[in-house]
Amino acid sequence: KAGVTQTPRYLIKTRGQQVTLSCSPISGHRSVSWYQQTPGQGLQFLFEYFSETQRNKGNFPGRFSGRQFSNSRSEMNVSTLELGDSALYLCASSLAGGQGYEQYFGPGTRLTVT
Amino acid sequence: AQSVSQHNHHVILSEAASLELGCNYSYGGTVNLFWYVQYPGQHLQLLLKYFSGDPLVKGIKGFEAEFIKSKFSFNLRKPSVQWSDTAEYFCAVNPGKGSYIPTFGRGTSLIVHP
Repeated sequence: KAGVTQTPRYLIKTRGQQVTLSCSPISGHRSVSWYQQTPGQGLQFLFEYFSETQRNKGNFPGRFSGRQFSNSRSEMNVSTLELGDSALYLCASSLAGGQGYEQYFGPGTRLTVT
Repeated sequence: AQSVSQHNHHVILSEAASLELGCNYSYGGTVNLFWYVQYPGQHLQLLLKYFSGDPLVKGIKGFEAEFIKSKFSFNLRKPSVQWSDTAEYFCAVNPGKGSYIPTFGRGTSLIVHP
């Protein structure tokens, strides 16, 4: 079974631009969560989508948004990029999300904002 | 808001040494607890988890963790480490009820010398 895939793997953007990252979950998984990983803040939860609906949300500004499609693929968008948005963005999928299900992580997208 | 503290940022051991990585959390209610591992060049993956029941949980590759509710701790242990255990280890906590918003610790880098 193929794992979680994320595209692109590396991205360089300038301040003020916007960016869209993509995540394809494991086949059959309906929940997709997004995380931001930085050396200073560690791994922080952004949001979780389940059946095309945002079910949970972390403490990030509205510039960070996402969506999920009917095939469970998910995209994350960051508008008006800031230098502090430079990070590794991880996507994780699980069968149904929530408390009882193991998450499977993707390799991440390394975003650099200049 | 919940928080997770991993006391050891960097740990260096020789093969066959015993390992204990500390993890403390702050949250007043029921929690689900996790340890994740990221081997060099690989994705983040689940090592073990605690939801309820026996506070001593066993995970993959000989790892175990003990949940001590009175100490708000979930320390990871392995009696004899191997060179292949070299990795980054993350402790995470999630409220046991309600919204799924996991909080991760900053991680502990473990290097095992052969």
